[in-house]
Amino acid sequence: AQSVAQPEDQVNVAEGNPLTVKCTYSVSGNPYLFWYVQYPNRGLQFLLKYITGDNLVKGSYGFEAEFNKSQTSFHLKKPSALVSDSALYFCAVREGYSSASKIIFGSGTRLSIRP
Amino acid sequence: EAEVAQSPRYKITEKSQAVAFWCDPISGHATLYWYRQILGQGPELLVQFQDESVVDDSQLPKDRFSAERLKGVDSTLKIQPAELGDSAMYLCASSLGRGISPLHFGNGTRLTVT
Repeated sequence: AQSVAQPEDQVNVAEGNPLTVKCTYSVSGNPYLFWYVQYPNRGLQFLLKYITGDNLVKGSYGFEAEFNKSQTSFHLKKPSALVSDSALYFCAVREGYSSASKIIFGSGTRLSIRP
Repeated sequence: EAEVAQSPRYKITEKSQAVAFWCDPISGHATLYWYRQILGQGPELLVQFQDESVVDDSQLPKDRFSAERLKGVDSTLKIQPAELGDSAMYLCASSLGRGISPLHFGNGTRLTVT
């Protein structure tokens, strides 16, 4: 069965500094990986996805993620953090190309950017 | 940009009462999901529809929860009777259902059972 882990409950970064939010996954087949962001009392918003190809994926709001097959990781990154990036971030994994494939979410990482 | 609509936005109910949530996905999205999100945790899949058919309800507590998507468009999730442990955010999401398309989430229904 597939699983996804976000080892950090919270990440604190100063505005203007680079940020990394970690994610590791476990699947038996090809992984399809996603990052979502959630603001208070809102649903999740899609940031980016990895299907195949280039290991560095670019997404919304200046975020990017690096896929590393050997380490089974898909860390979210941004070169320069903004206070408005403060939110809850979820990594998700889908095992299988079928539309019936289940999508599993991690437990989330709260990102706090201080001015 | 099209959105997933959910109602009500908030619901307070007493335990043992029945409660229902409604979701209208983005037009043309074949796959619809209901997730439950407990405060501080990630979303947990309750049920997944492909058009009007259930493709995964393995985590749905079927003794008290039911879900339907009769015409393959909007969907209703019901809880009867509600228990204190059901207090959570209930999120609906939809996707095109082709390829690896991302999920589009509604803003959820926050349920409080007293």
